[in-house]
Amino acid sequence: GNSVTQMEGPVTLSEEAFLTINCTYTATGYPSLFWYVQYPGEGLQLLLKATKADDKGSNKGFEATYRKETTSFHLEKGSVQVSDSAVYFCALRGETSGSRLTFGEGTQLTVNP
Amino acid sequence: NAGVTQTPKFQVLKTGQSMTLQCAQDMNHEYMSWYRQDPGMGLRLIHYSVGAGITDQGEVPNGYNVSRSTTEDFPLRLLSAAPSQTSVYFCASSYSRTGGHEQYFGPGTRLTVT
Repeated sequence: GNSVTQMEGPVTLSEEAFLTINCTYTATGYPSLFWYVQYPGEGLQLLLKATKADDKGSNKGFEATYRKETTSFHLEKGSVQVSDSAVYFCALRGETSGSRLTFGEGTQLTVNP
Repeated sequence: NAGVTQTPKFQVLKTGQSMTLQCAQDMNHEYMSWYRQDPGMGLRLIHYSVGAGITDQGEVPNGYNVSRSTTEDFPLRLLSAAPSQTSVYFCASSYSRTGGHEQYFGPGTRLTVT
């Protein structure tokens, strides 16, 4: 079946540091890949997505590239802010999954001033 | 639009009690789903629905029932609560049953079973 593995957390960074959160997946065919963000006390919001190999999703300074050869979709940001503190979830939607999503474990990011 | 709404925000139950978590959306979305969020396990799909009158099981359906009599509402019923059902529950909806559209999440219900 489909699965998503995220790097172990939590991650603590200083403001303006570079962020990478690793995400790898297992799925047949060509799934769609997503990053969701959950701010404290809130539900999940879509951060970015990529629907085919080599696509780059980007939003709010975050980027992730769909790498079919390494089955990865790592999240990066060049300079994090305190307001980026949240939990980040990598997710996939399989080719035959309809709208069903499979999520990774989530990574807690804390950015200190 | 209110988006996806969930009630209650918090609930404490005793083992063996039953209750219904409410979920409603006002976006005329076909697809609705319920997830539970547990530390270190991400979100896991409990049940989902691709339209009124159609429901199916997800990854962790045991102990939960759903029904979808209208497009707008998708309640989740706990038949006999157990401590293992202590979790945060999220409802989500999407325009299309076939994928390709963003999923919108509600704010969650935090349930504690003692």
